[in-house]
Amino acid sequence: EEQLVESGGGLVQPGGSLRLSCAASGFNFHKYWMTWFRQAPGKGPEWVANIKEDGSEKNYADSVKGRFTISRENAKNSLSLQMNSLRVDDTAVYYCATVTGFSDDFWGQGTLVTVSS
Amino acid sequence: DIQMTQSPSTLSASVGDRVTITCRASQSLNAWLAWYQQKLGKAPKLLIYKVSNLKSGVPSRFSGSQSGTEFTLTISGLQPDDFATYYCQQYTSYSSLTFGGGTKVEI
Repeated sequence: EEQLVESGGGLVQPGGSLRLSCAASGFNFHKYWMTWFRQAPGKGPEWVANIKEDGSEKNYADSVKGRFTISRENAKNSLSLQMNSLRVDDTAVYYCATVTGFSDDFWGQGTLVTVSS
Repeated sequence: DIQMTQSPSTLSASVGDRVTITCRASQSLNAWLAWYQQKLGKAPKLLIYKVSNLKSGVPSRFSGSQSGTEFTLTISGLQPDDFATYYCQQYTSYSSLTFGGGTKVEI
């Protein structure tokens, strides 16, 4: 069974950094683009970043460009999101997911990031 | 960027009702449109992909359609388990994935 498990969330002060991880199992991780989404309290999901199967292409939402870095390690079935210069409006549940446009669409359970002083 | 305008934002319905949710895209999506259901505290769950294709295991009371840049999710015969928030999502490009604003289906 396909599984994605996020970790690394927590409370951080504005301007601080946090690194999120996503462990994948049950599917061929190296064959999928991987995506980070987030969802602020009471809001809809928002795309954050994604990365090509081999890591050669990365895309970022304008709201995080220059502050967040997505990476992956296929040998370890692992996805990461390095978040720097965090702001209060980065507070959200962060999800890793595969989004292919077809039925093979898997999401993790999410990890909560709270940016507050 | 492609904008997705979803309506209504809230929908009051009863068990057995036929429910329709609409998303309008700011430009052509070439059928790259999905519908998700989300319940409180859970990740979004894919219901329909490529406008009208039902994901395996999703009840057949869910259906999707398209007319130009307007997309519709229909639930035929609302069930208690269907009370949730629904989102459309466009994925025409890996450099931009956009969700609609969501529709909360409540009693």
